[in-house]
Amino acid sequence: DQQVKQNSPSLSVQEGRISILNCDYTNSMFDYFLWYKKYPAEGPTFLISISSIKDKNEDGRFTVFLNKSAKHLSLHIVPSQPGDSAVYFCAVDSWGKLQFGAGTQVVVTP
Amino acid sequence: NAGVTQTPKFQVLKTGQSMTLQCAQDMNHEYMSWYRQDPGMGLRLIHYSVGAGITDQGEVPNGYNVSRSTTEDFPLRLLSAAPSQTSVYFCASRRQGVGSYNSPLHFGNGTRLTVT
Repeated sequence: DQQVKQNSPSLSVQEGRISILNCDYTNSMFDYFLWYKKYPAEGPTFLISISSIKDKNEDGRFTVFLNKSAKHLSLHIVPSQPGDSAVYFCAVDSWGKLQFGAGTQVVVTP
Repeated sequence: NAGVTQTPKFQVLKTGQSMTLQCAQDMNHEYMSWYRQDPGMGLRLIHYSVGAGITDQGEVPNGYNVSRSTTEDFPLRLLSAAPSQTSVYFCASRRQGVGSYNSPLHFGNGTRLTVT
């Protein structure tokens, strides 16, 4: 059973606007969360992470928010750029092993 | 700066054939793992290793074998390929141990396998 869920398979956003990607998880014991970005024909690359002791972590245009009571995290990209068009995977660190969501395809249009 | 290298990039097999997907990393990472990516399923863990001589099963281990004789290499073997093993396979590594808690995974560029 999937313990990490990304319910939006795709997202289209205009260049310069905000992209918001969502992720839900089932186990309240998870304590570390990550986002990976993947371009076609390449492996996923680490983007940003957050520990359960925080509710927000920011790195440039990327911010991850964690709502532990709702078991929900989100990734905000502001402003969105054409190079952000990729598949984004949410992941949880499950006792040293990463479990991934199904991914969200983001397309940034001019 | 090679990172994680996977070979081959593409492979077509007939049902019942065997093959080995190669993975090598030059970052001296203790932890190595194999994932498969399927549409709508994300990345699922097949096998992993926390050091030379130590391997363990992930979420979807059936039909796959691994071994870890060196820190650098972590090959994935398909003993008798099945169409259900058609997928994109990713090898990944990261640091393990004291001071490396939650270090991110570094992925190779994948092997696209088709089993007919």
